[in-house]
Amino acid sequence: ETGVTQSPTHLIKTRGQQVTLRCSSQSGHNTVSWYQQALGQGPQFIFQYYREEENGRGNFPPRFSGLQFPNYSSELNVNALELDDSALYLCASSLMPGGWDEQFFGPGTRLTVL
Amino acid sequence: SQQGEEDPQALSIQEGENATMNCSYKTSINNLQWYRQNSGRGLVHLILIRSNEREKHSGRLRVTLDTSKKSSSLLITASRAADTASYFCATDRSSGSARQLTFGSGTQLTVLP
Repeated sequence: ETGVTQSPTHLIKTRGQQVTLRCSSQSGHNTVSWYQQALGQGPQFIFQYYREEENGRGNFPPRFSGLQFPNYSSELNVNALELDDSALYLCASSLMPGGWDEQFFGPGTRLTVL
Repeated sequence: SQQGEEDPQALSIQEGENATMNCSYKTSINNLQWYRQNSGRGLVHLILIRSNEREKHSGRLRVTLDTSKKSSSLLITASRAADTASYFCATDRSSGSARQLTFGSGTQLTVLP
């Protein structure tokens, strides 16, 4: 166990809806990264937050947004869901700014968009 | 886009045999990492090899890196049924000040008892 938790485990939404996924980092870890993993593929970097500010973003549209809170929890929000958003969403926490030390992954949230 | 590509996509072996997975990448790297994922769950970091290293060992794992060929291999010796999982290589790049891990598409390893 990495000490990183995510909720919910599974989620089903319909196209056009909005969804919020949650992550609880290891205590003391101020950096959280979010990844999207489509079925049969490797994870793809969405963005990273450090001390409540976004400090890096992958090739994802603005309808993917995030929040990070002082209590080491964070959220990934996706608006106007599309069918291709169906995936496993992983968060990873790390101690160092930028996540340049080891990143500890949570178990993921499986999102299905119908 | 995927930076690395693992080969083979799937591998099935008997318990006790060795398993070798390969990874190729496209751009120059500072280091390369291998991760394991059980049944579509979270990723577990296995080993990191730096660009100036050629080989690294950790328990039953042996990783090699050939920067001239832009390739790496992961060898698991004396495999066990519990090694059944997907294995990914990942390289680093910067996204702003953030570390962006770029993963390959993975090798699904099945170890038969």
